[in-house]
Amino acid sequence: AQTVTQSQPEMSVQEAETVTLSCTYDTSENNYYLFWYKQPPSRQMILVIRQEAYKQQNATENRFSVNFQKAAKSFSLKISDSQLGDTAMYFCAFMKDPYTGTASKLTFGTGTRLQVTL
Amino acid sequence: EAGVTQFPSHSVIEKGQTVTLRCDPISGHDNLYWYRRVMGKEIKFLLHFVKESKQDESGMPNNRFLAERTGGTYSTLKVQPAELEDSGVYFCASSSFNGRDNEQFFGPGTRLTVL
Repeated sequence: AQTVTQSQPEMSVQEAETVTLSCTYDTSENNYYLFWYKQPPSRQMILVIRQEAYKQQNATENRFSVNFQKAAKSFSLKISDSQLGDTAMYFCAFMKDPYTGTASKLTFGTGTRLQVTL
Repeated sequence: EAGVTQFPSHSVIEKGQTVTLRCDPISGHDNLYWYRRVMGKEIKFLLHFVKESKQDESGMPNNRFLAERTGGTYSTLKVQPAELEDSGVYFCASSSFNGRDNEQFFGPGTRLTVL
C-alpha cells in the first residue's frame, strides 16, 4: 500500500515571496504519478502540477515547480512570486501507473494550508 | 463544458437516518471516483466506477455505504443508517478513460454532518 505524508499542516508566505511545501511518499511501485492539487477556500479542488516518476526532469507550470527526488521518495512543491490567489489547501497525491489501461485511485496526504499575506 | 457537480452541498442528519449523495461527472468520463475527508485527516478513496461497473471498492468502510452508477452516468452514494463517524466531506471525481491522461476532476464536495 502507498502512503503520502505532508508534515506541514500550515504555512504562511508574504506576497511575491517563494514558498516550498514538502511531501514524502512510500511505495514499492516503480512507475507512478505524483500530483499537487489545490483547494481554494469554498472552491473545488484543481490540479496544480503532475510528475511522472519515469521522467527525471522536474515538472513546471508557470510559477509552480516541483523538486522530485525519486530515491528519497520526496516530491516538494515550490511556488514562486506568491500571489493572494494562491491561498488554499494543497494536497499531495500518488497514483500507480495506469498505463495498463485501467485508471487508478489517488492516495492523498493530509494537506498543507497555505496563507499568502500582504 | 460543465464540471463535476455534487448535490447537496451540505446535509445535516441525525444518527440512524439515511442520506443519499449524488454526483454528476463530466460528460463522457467513464471513470468516477468517490473520496471522503474526515476533519483534519487525509482524503481517502472510497470506490471507483468504470462506466456502470465497480472497478475498485476497497475503500468502502462498511456495508452501510452503497454506491450505484445507473447507466454509467451519474452516481449516488447512500449511507444507511448514518453514524457519527460518517461526518465529513464527500468528494466525487471523474476522469476520461485514457491511461496517460489521468487527471481527475473534482466536484465541490458534499459536507455531511451526522448529529
